[in-house]
Amino acid sequence: AQSVTQLGSHVSVSEGALVLLRCNYSSSVPPYLFWYVQYPNQGLQLLLKYTTGATLVKGINGFEAEFKKSETSFHLTKPSAHMSDAAEYFCAVSSGGGADGLTFGKGTHLIIQP
Amino acid sequence: GAGVSQTPSNKVTEKGKYVELRCDPISGHTALYWYRQSLGQGPEFLIYFQGTGAADDSGLPNDRFFAVRPEGSVSTLKIQRTERGDSAVYLCASSLSVPNEQFFGPGTRLTVL
Repeated sequence: AQSVTQLGSHVSVSEGALVLLRCNYSSSVPPYLFWYVQYPNQGLQLLLKYTTGATLVKGINGFEAEFKKSETSFHLTKPSAHMSDAAEYFCAVSSGGGADGLTFGKGTHLIIQP
Repeated sequence: GAGVSQTPSNKVTEKGKYVELRCDPISGHTALYWYRQSLGQGPEFLIYFQGTGAADDSGLPNDRFFAVRPEGSVSTLKIQRTERGDSAVYLCASSLSVPNEQFFGPGTRLTVL
């Protein structure tokens, strides 16, 4: 069985500050890892993914995440927050080589303070 | 190009009724997924199709839930004898290849009164 834990249901940062959203996973096989963003009244959009190879992956809108196998983590970061980053963020894991249903965390609501 | 579409966007029904939710995947995508998202939770996997066949239906909560994809494109999620606990947003996603990027539709919000 696989699972995802996102620490912090709500994270608040000031505009221009570092964004750090935490994700820890469990998987019995090498995982594929994903971060999705959900804006109000919109569908889920892929931010970035890790499959194999380089452990630091870059995504859209200036976000990046680092796969750390020893820590079973895949934290999402962005150097400087923008008001438009306010949204719900979901970390997800696939243990079927990407060809299976994803297991999502409960999500983190990112709040940007002006 | 067109993304994943889902109809209806909202569905209100009464306890005990039957509902059908439709998903139109991105053209050419062979894999199709259904998820359920309850308030304040992440999406929960229900079923995955590869072509016309259900490759994994382990997430379906009970036998009241059933899904089909007869021609390998459009899929319908069917819920019999709906219960108030079935109220949620039902999400559909499709993907072209492995490792997958799943493209999600906007969802159908189901409310069971």
